[in-house]
Amino acid sequence: KAGVTQTPRYLIKTRGQQVTLSCSPISGHRSVSWYQQTPGQGLQFLFEYFSETQRNKGNFPGRFSGRQFSNSRSEMNVSTLELGDSALYLCASSLAPGVTYEQYFGPGTRLTVT
Amino acid sequence: SQQGEEDPQALSIQEGENATMNCSYKTSINNLQWYRQNSGRGLVHLILIRSNEREKHSGRLRVTLDTSKKSSSLLITASRAADTASYFCATSGKEKNTGNQFYFGTGTSLTVIP
Repeated sequence: KAGVTQTPRYLIKTRGQQVTLSCSPISGHRSVSWYQQTPGQGLQFLFEYFSETQRNKGNFPGRFSGRQFSNSRSEMNVSTLELGDSALYLCASSLAPGVTYEQYFGPGTRLTVT
Repeated sequence: SQQGEEDPQALSIQEGENATMNCSYKTSINNLQWYRQNSGRGLVHLILIRSNEREKHSGRLRVTLDTSKKSSSLLITASRAADTASYFCATSGKEKNTGNQFYFGTGTSLTVIP
């Protein structure tokens, strides 16, 4: 069974631009969560999607948004990029929402904002 | 914030020795999970322990949970150079309808010297 895939793996953008990251969950998994990882803040929860609906959102500004498609694939978008948005963005999938399910993480997208 | 804290922040041991990492958290949990992350890559799930469990084993891994002290420990026995990685604990709270919101700790960086 293929794992969680994220594209692109690396990205360099300029301040003020916007970016879209993609995540394909494990086949059969319907819940997708996104996390931001930085050296200073560690791993922080961004949002979680299930059945094309955002179920939960972390404490991030409105510049961070996401969506999920009917095939469970998910995208996240960051508009008006700031230097502080440079981070590793991780996507995780699980069978369903609910904290009893194991999350499987993708390799991440390394975003650098210059 | 429910974010956990791992202790120590960094640990360096010789191959063959045991490594112990601790995680403390702040609020009541449904379960606690341990993850491993190799440098700059995605997280790999290691083990999940539920709030009504006290100890779990998986291969060379042993996890304990003390809900009265709000702490957990991860023991890696007979360490190998390949165990070199960062280890994170993640807790999930008891809030209803919050989906897959996990709170990650700050991580322990383990170096196993051959």
